[in-house]
Amino acid sequence: DAGITQSPRYKITETGRQVTLMCHQTWSHSYMFWYRQDLGHGLRLIYYSAAADITDKGEVPDGYVVSRSKTENFPLTLESATRSQTSVYFCASSEPAGLAGAVGTQYFGPGTRLTVL
Amino acid sequence: KQEVTQIPAALSVPEGENLVLNCSFTDSAIYNLQWFRQDPGKGLTSLLLIQSSQREQTSGRLNASLDKSSGRSTLYIAASQPGDSATYLCAVSGRDDKIIFGKGTRLHILP
Repeated sequence: DAGITQSPRYKITETGRQVTLMCHQTWSHSYMFWYRQDLGHGLRLIYYSAAADITDKGEVPDGYVVSRSKTENFPLTLESATRSQTSVYFCASSEPAGLAGAVGTQYFGPGTRLTVL
Repeated sequence: KQEVTQIPAALSVPEGENLVLNCSFTDSAIYNLQWFRQDPGKGLTSLLLIQSSQREQTSGRLNASLDKSSGRSTLYIAASQPGDSATYLCAVSGRDDKIIFGKGTRLHILP
């Protein structure tokens, strides 16, 4: 019962390279999210998905691309990495909750620490 | 634009004391509010989720309240223990499904 996993856990890359961070959940939750966490900024939403093949921008989407062809996977791609994308990236999943079907309890992965040189 | 604020940024209290952590938000049109804890170098662990129609939720020594009209939530921790030391974050979910986090309160329980 793995829950939600992220890979790799640590990644060092160079400016301009393409990098893909993987996220996999075993619960079949409909919602999935990508956040970045930086000192001084806290956690900020990059992209989210309410279901397979449905994605939407969060607070800081520039420079990132997502896809969700399967419910359980939500990869995040940095098309051309920049030093400002050095951060810890967290993936989360959730089922809808309440009458409005809004985002419910979020379950987070362990994070990926990305360094862009 | 929704903004979430947590004050204080850091707090140290002796073991055994009861304490309150605060979270405020600027737009009262939220669906729910969630409290998390984060240990150093780890991911976030959900503690409590309060729907907009609820006023409080309890889990063990934790009690979270929500006053939507005033844009405030509190997390009450009873009989604090050293194991409660962590960063506590609140997050609100709005109509657009976007989640906005506060920057957290770093809590240190002194043995």
